[in-house]
Amino acid sequence: QSALTQPASVSGSPGQSITISCTGTSSDVGGYNYVAWYQQHAGKAPKLMIFEVTNRPSGVPDRFSGSKSGNTASLTISGLRTEDEADYYCSSYTTSNTQLFGTGTKVTVL
Amino acid sequence: EVQLVESGGGLVQPGGSLRLSCEASGFTFTTYYMSWVRQAPGKGLEWVANIRQDGIEKYYVDSVKGRFTISRDNAKNSLYLQLNSLRAEDTAVYYCARDGVPAACDYWGQGTLVTVSS
Repeated sequence: QSALTQPASVSGSPGQSITISCTGTSSDVGGYNYVAWYQQHAGKAPKLMIFEVTNRPSGVPDRFSGSKSGNTASLTISGLRTEDEADYYCSSYTTSNTQLFGTGTKVTVL
Repeated sequence: EVQLVESGGGLVQPGGSLRLSCEASGFTFTTYYMSWVRQAPGKGLEWVANIRQDGIEKYYVDSVKGRFTISRDNAKNSLYLQLNSLRAEDTAVYYCARDGVPAACDYWGQGTLVTVSS
């Protein structure tokens, strides 16, 4: 199964909003409301930012929000901050009872 | 505090074997699915396998089926990944993670590096 498709890079200035897309198929993203988003700073373990499409774990700022339409999920970061500069990965549950990650997006704060 | 500590990584020749371990603490291990996720150097994340609380139900990514085996010892609060018939493309940092929310990993270990090379 191929990885979910994400843009390689997205950039924005401090205070701006950016959106990262995550495109799959009806066998994963489109078939379930089980999309998650992870943030990974260089050399660190991933951190869960969003689960079940729109839910934020305790401690994650409400600047981070998720949504889904059809086979495409999105992560929006509002009020961009320098500490948001990192790699972001989406993931989805699949019909094979497995998880599938996205290709990853590097977020740069200009 | 939830802690996941991996060990067992190292350098192994192609075709060789390795057993990774993950010691869990700070939560009731027996109530969670657990997963292994890997990341090749400079590449993205790849989900490898997960295991149900009782250790009976297990799922794998196609690329490791028949070569890797996930297991757990609930008495020792430990998760394992047996890696056999290793290939160069298995070179990666292997993370242990807790499936604390539906279909997602809410806590991760620091990872252990597996290098497959002659």
